[in-house]
Amino acid sequence: KAGVTQTPRYLIKTRGQQVTLSCSPISGHRSVSWYQQTPGQGLQFLFEYFSETQRNKGNFPGRFSGRQFSNSRSEMNVSTLELGDSALYLCASSPRTGDMNEQYFGPGTRLTVT
Amino acid sequence: AQSVTQLDSQVPVFEEAPVELRCNYSSSVSVYLFWYVQYPNQGLQLLLKYLSGSTLVKGINGFEAEFNKSQTSFHLRKPSVHISDTAEYFCAVSGSGRRALTFGSGTRLQVQP
Repeated sequence: KAGVTQTPRYLIKTRGQQVTLSCSPISGHRSVSWYQQTPGQGLQFLFEYFSETQRNKGNFPGRFSGRQFSNSRSEMNVSTLELGDSALYLCASSPRTGDMNEQYFGPGTRLTVT
Repeated sequence: AQSVTQLDSQVPVFEEAPVELRCNYSSSVSVYLFWYVQYPNQGLQLLLKYLSGSTLVKGINGFEAEFNKSQTSFHLRKPSVHISDTAEYFCAVSGSGRRALTFGSGTRLQVQP
């Protein structure tokens, strides 16, 4: 089975712009979660989608949003980019939602905001 | 709220030596525990998980971990490391219906020849 894929792998944006990142989960997986990884804050949970519905949200401002499509693919959007949004954004998929389900991570999208 | 503490930010070790990466968690409810590894410029790969049952969990690449409820620990061990084990290791916890992983700050394992 193909793993989790994320596009693009690298992105450079300017402050104030918006960006959309894409994630394709493992075939058959219906849950997609997003995490932000930075040197200062480490790995932090952004949100989880399951069956096109946001099931859980981390402690991030409303500039961060996401959605999931009927084929389980997910996108996350960051509007009005700030320098502090520079990070590696990781997508993870799981067959089902729930605490016991292990998550499979993609390679990430490295976003640089200048 | 859940939290995870990885006690060592860096662990240098010689090739073929044993290693232990320490992880402590805090949670007032049942937890599920995971160890992930991240190689440079890559995502996270699951090494092993504890959901229930036997407290000694075996994972990939020769790693194992022991769940200790009384000490709220989930330390990762490998009896003999290789150069290729050089990477960052993350301990994570989920539970209480939050459906999200809470990660520790990571431990960089540096295997020297």
